[in-house]
Amino acid sequence: EIVLTQSPGTLSLSPGQRATLSCRASQSVGNNYLAWYQQKPGQAPRLLIYNTYSRATGIPDRFSGSESGTDFTLTISRLEPEDFAVYYCHQYAFSPLTFGQGTKVEIK
Amino acid sequence: QITLKESGPILVKPTQTLTLTCTFSGFSLSTSAVGVGWIRQPPGKALEWLALLYWNDDNHFSPSLKTRLTITKDTSKNQVVLRMTNVDPTDTATYYCTHLAGWLSDSWGQGTPVSVSS
Repeated sequence: EIVLTQSPGTLSLSPGQRATLSCRASQSVGNNYLAWYQQKPGQAPRLLIYNTYSRATGIPDRFSGSESGTDFTLTISRLEPEDFAVYYCHQYAFSPLTFGQGTKVEIK
Repeated sequence: QITLKESGPILVKPTQTLTLTCTFSGFSLSTSAVGVGWIRQPPGKALEWLALLYWNDDNHFSPSLKTRLTITKDTSKNQVVLRMTNVDPTDTATYYCTHLAGWLSDSWGQGTPVSVSS
């Protein structure tokens, strides 16, 4: 089973700042099948990034994904008020599929 | 437009079997390469993948829950049913069904909350 470890647990930032969220996989994620989801309180997760780099439909370009080996990163270039939420990484390369434990981006 | 909606009991007693139904539109499980997944989220905790079922009846389960889960489809009703036997309070969670593109959950239902308590 691929274990995904997200850091930090909480990120305290102000609107307009850059957010960098990390997700480390315990082993190689085949085909870069790594996604990022955003979840707001009381809502279902929303797909932001898939295949490590690709933005889902309707996702603004301030969201971007990257990778270096087994380290994956979600970057939000300039935080908007609606971006404060919990973010999860997810690998869908191998069964069992797994999620990270989440990073909360909160207003400083 | 793809939509999914979960339905099932809000409250289940320990040791009972939980039956959840995902009713969807905008796609068909008789179409090649289409699937439905189930994911849950205990209150205040992270997402946990449970199971997936494909158009061709290929299925996969979380190893920790495999012995307790079954997943079936009714193509004519556009529904997928997840059953979990012998529930206990640790199964209290919001349960989501998702549309699968490959193994990627790209569309989610709103979720249905389930509480396990006597």
